[in-house]
Amino acid sequence: DGGITQSPKYLFRKEGQNVTLSCEQNLNHDAMYWYRQDPGQGLRLIYYSQIVNDFQKGDIAEGYSVSREKKESFPLTVTSAQKNPTAFYLCASSSTGPQGNQPQHFGDGTRLSIL
Amino acid sequence: SQQGEEDPQALSIQEGENATMNCSYKTSINNLQWYRQNSGRGLVHLILIRSNEREKHSGRLRVTLDTSKKSSSLLITASRAADTASYFCAGPRNSGNTPLVFGKGTRLSVIA
Repeated sequence: DGGITQSPKYLFRKEGQNVTLSCEQNLNHDAMYWYRQDPGQGLRLIYYSQIVNDFQKGDIAEGYSVSREKKESFPLTVTSAQKNPTAFYLCASSSTGPQGNQPQHFGDGTRLSIL
Repeated sequence: SQQGEEDPQALSIQEGENATMNCSYKTSINNLQWYRQNSGRGLVHLILIRSNEREKHSGRLRVTLDTSKKSSSLLITASRAADTASYFCAGPRNSGNTPLVFGKGTRLSVIA
């Protein structure tokens, strides 16, 4: 079955530590996205990538970094510069075409907490 | 950069009743999408309605779009306990090849 896999499901970060969230898709989608969701809130865009080896900042990129070395993979690193990282992180992908016109497919998220 | 804003924020109904959620948006769009999110899970795409469409159906879901009022509504008929979830509208951020912008969602509770 095609889909998006996020791992781990739960992650704990210590003070001053960088952590990396994994996102893999086998849908052959060109575009991938990372969102942050806080309790009772909508999704806020962190970073997105429309093609391999290229990515753009979203609305709240500070304290985060990404890479897109393979079409299937779009890992997100939450750096120590992100002072309030506790949130639910969602990865999504969409097929070729104007991004605003394409349905997005989501993984089941990673819940990140501070130790 | 919020495009869609859902109303109400929360809705509680009895099983079998209809649920209506509304979405208002700011700028002109060429399509609007609706998603569902079950607690602790990712979002699932429900329906995409284009600006030249006024109404679209999918099973028990009916979506309407009024571009003159910059609003859309999602109707779930004969609701079931399994419909309990948050529902989000999303639209293009602006013209060009830019990502979607999601609203804050409506939390629907269907009581058996």
